[in-house]
Amino acid sequence: QKEVEQNSGPLSVPEGAIASLNCTYSDRGSQSFFWYRQYSGKSPELIMSIYSNGDKEDGRFTAQLNKASQYVSLLIRDSQPSDSATYLCAVTHTGGFKTIFGAGTRLFVKA
Amino acid sequence: GAVVSQHPSRVICKSGTSVKIECRSLDFQATTMFWYRQFPKQSLMLMATSNEGSKATYEQGVEKDKFLINHASLTLSTLTVTSAHPEDSSFYICSARVTGGKETQYFGPGTRLLVL
Repeated sequence: QKEVEQNSGPLSVPEGAIASLNCTYSDRGSQSFFWYRQYSGKSPELIMSIYSNGDKEDGRFTAQLNKASQYVSLLIRDSQPSDSATYLCAVTHTGGFKTIFGAGTRLFVKA
Repeated sequence: GAVVSQHPSRVICKSGTSVKIECRSLDFQATTMFWYRQFPKQSLMLMATSNEGSKATYEQGVEKDKFLINHASLTLSTLTVTSAHPEDSSFYICSARVTGGKETQYFGPGTRLLVL
């Protein structure tokens, strides 16, 4: 079992729709959770961080964390073609030293 | 804030030569920096963790004598690919973690290495 799992996609949504990206992790003691966006040929860019159960909103982005289910998600409202990218879920293990990245979900927003 | 730079952004070298890549945190101190490699259409692969003033910690399967890491200050880590071969051609990305902050990693723009 991979430590951080994401559906590789591609996830295709129409412009203006809500894109829902999901991630599960195996280390129950994980403390910190991150979503990064990576455009093709570029390095990852931090979108959101979340540390406690519940929802965290930042503009069109909402991160959701459920530690009991070991599940973290990212919702993108009013999706735009410019949101088309690979989204990486990252989880910091207990002890806070190593961050494990998922393989990423490719999102394609159709104009 | 939290800007990380890398130099060079792109390098082409001949097989057998060594290439040095610099990673700098521009507006914060980073006790810990990370080096990743990413092949086309594949996920990030952590190569090593660089700690200021101490030896780097390499991931399993990464040759420490081939990928030399030096983290001489709180704002600079370097990765040297020694005796580069075509199979080392890849996208090398560093990230830095703010000293004393949360575990957030901020990524540099990456260095694209092509070994001929």
